[in-house]
Amino acid sequence: EVQLVESGGGLVRPGGYLRLSCVASGFTFTNSWMSWVRQAPGKKLEWVANIKPDGSDTYYVDSVRGRFTISRDNTKNSLYLRMDSLSAEDTALYYCARHRVEYSFGYPKAPYFDSWGQGTLVTVSS
Amino acid sequence: DIQMTQSPSTLSAYEGDRVIITCRASQNIGTWLAWYQQKPGKAPNLLIYKASSLESGVPSRFSGSGSGTDFTLTISSLQPDDFATYYCQQYDAYPGTFGPGTKVEI
Repeated sequence: EVQLVESGGGLVRPGGYLRLSCVASGFTFTNSWMSWVRQAPGKKLEWVANIKPDGSDTYYVDSVRGRFTISRDNTKNSLYLRMDSLSAEDTALYYCARHRVEYSFGYPKAPYFDSWGQGTLVTVSS
Repeated sequence: DIQMTQSPSTLSAYEGDRVIITCRASQNIGTWLAWYQQKPGKAPNLLIYKASSLESGVPSRFSGSGSGTDFTLTISSLQPDDFATYYCQQYDAYPGTFGPGTKVEI
């Protein structure tokens, strides 16, 4: 059974930072593309960032590029999200998600998500 | 970014009803579309990918159709477990964007 367990959320002041973690089990983590997806209270889902299985490539939504860093440790089956310069707009439930990648004419499409964790809540407030 | 819209935003239905949810993309996305179900306090669950492919383990009463800009999710006979919010997501281009959701309620 696929399991994704997030941790590291909490209350942080504007301009502060947090590091989220996600521990994976039940599948071959080293072969899997992974993402962070967030959902602000009462809002729709938003993909935040993803990372290739070997960690060699990362992608970010424009609103977090330069502030957030996704990384992974395949020896620990773990995914991370370092979030700097946080603002109220970053307040959300952050999900760790395994995603699939499909290709068209040799180019990867954007991810869609076949397994999700339960999320960790990040609240940015003074 | 590709914008996704859904209609209706809220749908009231009875058990046994046939339910149709519509999703529209702001540009042609082929069949690069997924549907998810989300229950309160839970993570989303993948139902459909590639517009019409049923995810393993998902009941056959769920089906998807469409291509280009217009898509539908159909629940053939609504069950008590199906009362939830449904999201479409395009994955034709980064960033993969989600629709605003359709809440199916009694």
